[in-house]
Amino acid sequence: KAGVTQTPRYLIKTRGQQVTLSCSPISGHRSVSWYQQTPGQGLQFLFEYFSETQRNKGNFPGRFSGRQFSNSRSEMNVSTLELGDSALYLCASNPPGGSTEAFFGQGTRLTVV
Amino acid sequence: QKEVEQNSGPLSVPEGAIASLNCTYSDRVSQSFFWYRQYSGKSPELIMSIYSNGDKEDGRFTAQLNKASQYVSLLIRDSQPSDSATYLCAVRFGNDMRFGAGTRLTVKP
Repeated sequence: KAGVTQTPRYLIKTRGQQVTLSCSPISGHRSVSWYQQTPGQGLQFLFEYFSETQRNKGNFPGRFSGRQFSNSRSEMNVSTLELGDSALYLCASNPPGGSTEAFFGQGTRLTVV
Repeated sequence: QKEVEQNSGPLSVPEGAIASLNCTYSDRVSQSFFWYRQYSGKSPELIMSIYSNGDKEDGRFTAQLNKASQYVSLLIRDSQPSDSATYLCAVRFGNDMRFGAGTRLTVKP
């Protein structure tokens, strides 16, 4: 059973550019959550998608957006990158049932220079 | 107030000792509680889940949940240097899973 796949693993971008990150969840999982992790801040919740609909959103500016496709793959986009957007972006695949653990991908390390 | 709070540490214990990690959460409908371990540069991996009040043991790990006090803890017995990592407390509020900032644990040989 394949795990959660995030691409790319590493990315270097310049301030002002935009970036798109991809996440393929575990087969059968229709819910995908995105988190930003910076040193000392833990995992900050960005948003969660279920069946192509955003169900929940964290406290991030509108520069952060996402979407989910019919095959449950999800993308997140950050526009007008700032230095503070440098972080590890983690995607979590959520099994059906609602009370279960989340399974994480390897993450995308974004560096903004 | 953050939804999930942990002692940020760092926490340092000698090899063989008990490491105690604590977490409190806000007063929302909380269904389930998790502890994840994250090694430096890696993604979080689940080590324990707990759904009802009381203790749950799995090998050297024991999770404790007290919903009345909105408190969940993790005990690691016979700590090993390989346990050195950041431990993240997670609480599922309905469809949301929220995390604490993590406690960095170092086990010294």
